[in-house]
Amino acid sequence: DAKTTQPTSMDCAEGRAANLPCNHSTISGNEYVYWYRQIHSQGPQYIIHGLKNNETNEMASLIITEDRKSSTLILPHATLRDTAVYYCIVRVSNYGGSQGNLIFGKGTKLSVKP
Amino acid sequence: ETGVTQSPTHLIKTRGQQVTLRCSSQSGHNTVSWYQQALGQGPQFIFQYYREEENGRGNFPPRFSGLQFPNYSSELNVNALELDDSALYLCASSFRSNEQFFGPGTRLTVL
Repeated sequence: DAKTTQPTSMDCAEGRAANLPCNHSTISGNEYVYWYRQIHSQGPQYIIHGLKNNETNEMASLIITEDRKSSTLILPHATLRDTAVYYCIVRVSNYGGSQGNLIFGKGTKLSVKP
Repeated sequence: ETGVTQSPTHLIKTRGQQVTLRCSSQSGHNTVSWYQQALGQGPQFIFQYYREEENGRGNFPPRFSGLQFPNYSSELNVNALELDDSALYLCASSFRSNEQFFGPGTRLTVL
């Protein structure tokens, strides 16, 4: 079972920041937080991941709380093309096989509206 | 740098038949993972291949099997197809256990 809890759906106005929350209260010390998104009928797309520090790349920022029990993915200026299902996943990054696989929940369906 | 590709895009089979799906990994990646995504659900891990060996398996029966070739491409084989096998099958490649990059998927319909 997925170790994360996310809202089922969220709306965001085009051009505004989209803040997607994720709870992972049982995260272990060696587990990373990963974010993927899936645009309708396409394969999931990697967005960002982090361990304890905040991370930023060209797509998004990831804010992880100090106790690591929750995180927020921020899309700074959402566009219509950001409409997708966003998955928050905890994963032990240093292992392959069954331990390193991605366990997807149902994610958050983000709808960006004009 | 080419991304992950999968073939075919769509496939229709009947119950009891066998199917083979193919995946070419991204350049520089040596690990391939396969996932099954039923309609309205998140992807579910089937198995992973690393250096041509199965390197972990999810909760799927033995009629789901796979291969990885020396060029790191991979096949997913499903025998004795059942109606519930209808799904989007996703392949993801990575360098060892680093972040996984997904292909566009193969949509399998079992009638």
